Amino acid sequence: NAGVMQNPRHLVRRRGQEARLRCSPMKGHSHVYWYRQLPEEGLKFMVYLQKENIIDESGMPKERFSAEFPKEGPSILRIQQVVRGDSAAYFCASSPPDSGYTFGSGTRLTVV
Amino acid sequence: KQEVTQIPAALSVPEGENLVLNCSFTDSAIYNLQWFRQDPGKGLTSLLLIQSSQREQTSGRLNASLDKSSGRSTLYIAASQPGDSATYLCAVYEDNAGNMLTFGGGTRLMVKP
Repeated sequence: NAGVMQNPRHLVRRRGQEARLRCSPMKGHSHVYWYRQLPEEGLKFMVYLQKENIIDESGMPKERFSAEFPKEGPSILRIQQVVRGDSAAYFCASSPPDSGYTFGSGTRLTVV
Repeated sequence: KQEVTQIPAALSVPEGENLVLNCSFTDSAIYNLQWFRQDPGKGLTSLLLIQSSQREQTSGRLNASLDKSSGRSTLYIAASQPGDSATYLCAVYEDNAGNMLTFGGGTRLMVKP
């Protein structure tokens, strides 16, 4: 079992570009979560998804951010028109129902 | 709104010491509590998951306890080693918030040889 796979590990974008972050959950895990860790801050919940459904997006910024977990393929966190304040580590986690999380290694986004 | 606090924020100890990391949460209606380790620039590694019906979990030199009524958890590390140096994060699963985790700010541990 390869664990939770995130790519890319590092992503550099210029202000105004789009960033796409990918997450493949562990085999057998039907729940995917995205968290953001800003520099010198703790991890904050962004969104919780199951296949083809957004269950809780209460932590997502209202604009420019979107997430999906299609029937086939990885979960995608998409950030449009990135700004410097979006620079952070974005972590994906997966779990089976009613069990603990397994986190991926994260994508470190730098906006220049 | 649930708040999770970890004390101390940073800790430096000589190798071999036994140490205790503290985690407190404001809303005792939690589902589970999980301790993670994060190395610099890396992801999170799960250390111990304590379900709400349990009071403690042990793995090797690690022991975590949970007291829901007082809103506290402790992570005990026995015979610390330089390889234990990392940030330790406490996170709670809330009863009525699906599977969302609320994290504490972490304790940065440095174990000196």
